[in-house]
Amino acid sequence: SAVISQKPSRDICQRGTSLTIQCQVDSQVTMMFWYRQQPGQSLTLIATANQGSEATYESGFVIDKFPISRPNLTFSTLTVSNMSPEDSSIYLCSVTGGPLETQYFGPGTRLLVL
Amino acid sequence: SQKIEQNSEALNIQEGKTATLTCNYTNYSPAYLQWYRQDPGRGPVFLLLIRENEKEKRKERLKVTFDTTLKQSLFHITASQPADSATYLCAPPYSGYSTLTFGKGTMLLVSP
Repeated sequence: SAVISQKPSRDICQRGTSLTIQCQVDSQVTMMFWYRQQPGQSLTLIATANQGSEATYESGFVIDKFPISRPNLTFSTLTVSNMSPEDSSIYLCSVTGGPLETQYFGPGTRLLVL
Repeated sequence: SQKIEQNSEALNIQEGKTATLTCNYTNYSPAYLQWYRQDPGRGPVFLLLIRENEKEKRKERLKVTFDTTLKQSLFHITASQPADSATYLCAPPYSGYSTLTFGKGTMLLVSP
């Protein structure tokens, strides 16, 4: 299994500002995933971050709004840029691992944009 | 496009009964399907994986079935306890991807 930590755990931000969320894994992994979970909704994949290459974004998500860094095999950041109240959500970092390719999730970052 | 459907209404049952949650999928044929538990304010936690060639998988009080003809998976918790109260997510893989697509989940409430 993988142990994942995220910072910050929660934040309240003003519209128009940006927030960078950090994700740290206790083991080296090839791919890291960033999800968003809006209130009452399921998890939506934002992007897949591979070390040493550009992140791959899902439909509806763009790099200018959600830039991602992946400087090494245990760390990634997701920035939510030029925030609006619609960005209020829980942001989750995830990795796959083990023989069953299960997904392990961080505790999430709860973001409220005013 | 791929679609996953889980009962959106919460399931309320009494302690000791069996809870049964349903996951239906359309427009693709996943090779396996995973079930996760999510508690409020926390990330999902893996529970069970069932492959397309397995009819049933068990783990302690949990049982999952996978009917590829009906395109449906059922998740059962026997002898349910209040501590089982959580949201349960069904997650087959994205077709061709290394990650999963998640249903909206069904909230289970077990009352003493």
